[in-house]
Amino acid sequence: EVQLVESGGDLVKPGRSLRLSCTTSGFTFRDYAMSWFRQAPGKGPEWVGLIRSKGYIGTTEYAASVKGRFTISRDDSKSIVYLQMNSLRPEDTAVYYCSRDGEYYDNSGYPIFGFDHWGQGTLVTVTP
Amino acid sequence: DIQMTQSPSAMSASVGDRVTITCRASQGISNYLAWFQQKPGKVPKRLIYAASSLQSGVPSRFTGRGSGTEFTLTISSLQPEDFATYYCLQHNSYPYTFGQGTKLEIK
Repeated sequence: EVQLVESGGDLVKPGRSLRLSCTTSGFTFRDYAMSWFRQAPGKGPEWVGLIRSKGYIGTTEYAASVKGRFTISRDDSKSIVYLQMNSLRPEDTAVYYCSRDGEYYDNSGYPIFGFDHWGQGTLVTVTP
Repeated sequence: DIQMTQSPSAMSASVGDRVTITCRASQGISNYLAWFQQKPGKVPKRLIYAASSLQSGVPSRFTGRGSGTEFTLTISSLQPEDFATYYCLQHNSYPYTFGQGTKLEIK
């Protein structure tokens, strides 16, 4: 059974840092791209970023709202994907989800057929 | 960024009704579109991928169609458990972007 479990959410002050983890099991983690999403209270989901599999050099992509502040990394030996969040702002307050992205890529390097499994989410609250 | 315009933003319907939700992309996205259902306090659940492929375990009353810039999600006969919020997501271009959502309520 595929499982994704996020952890690390907390209440922090603006400007602080936080690292979220997404621990996975039930599939060959190293073969998949992984995405992070977030959902602010009462709002729709928002894509945060992704990390490709090592077969695609483990490269990353980010939403403009987090680029330069957030970093996604992965540890294939532990089947964990991380979201390092620096310089947090009140508008980063949200439930953060990890999702399994695609195992395969198109000719442009986009993972395909992803988002079939999500974690339960972890709450990050940024407040003075 | 690709804008996903989803309509309607909300609708009321009755059990047994047929409903259709539309997403329009601001530029062509081929079939790089997924549909999600989300209930309050729950995780988004993928219903459709590649615009028209039904996720395993999802009832066949859900149908996705479209390619390019216009996409639809149709529920052929609403069941009580279908009342939720629905989102489309394009993953053809970074950043991935969602539609604004359609809240489906019981009439």
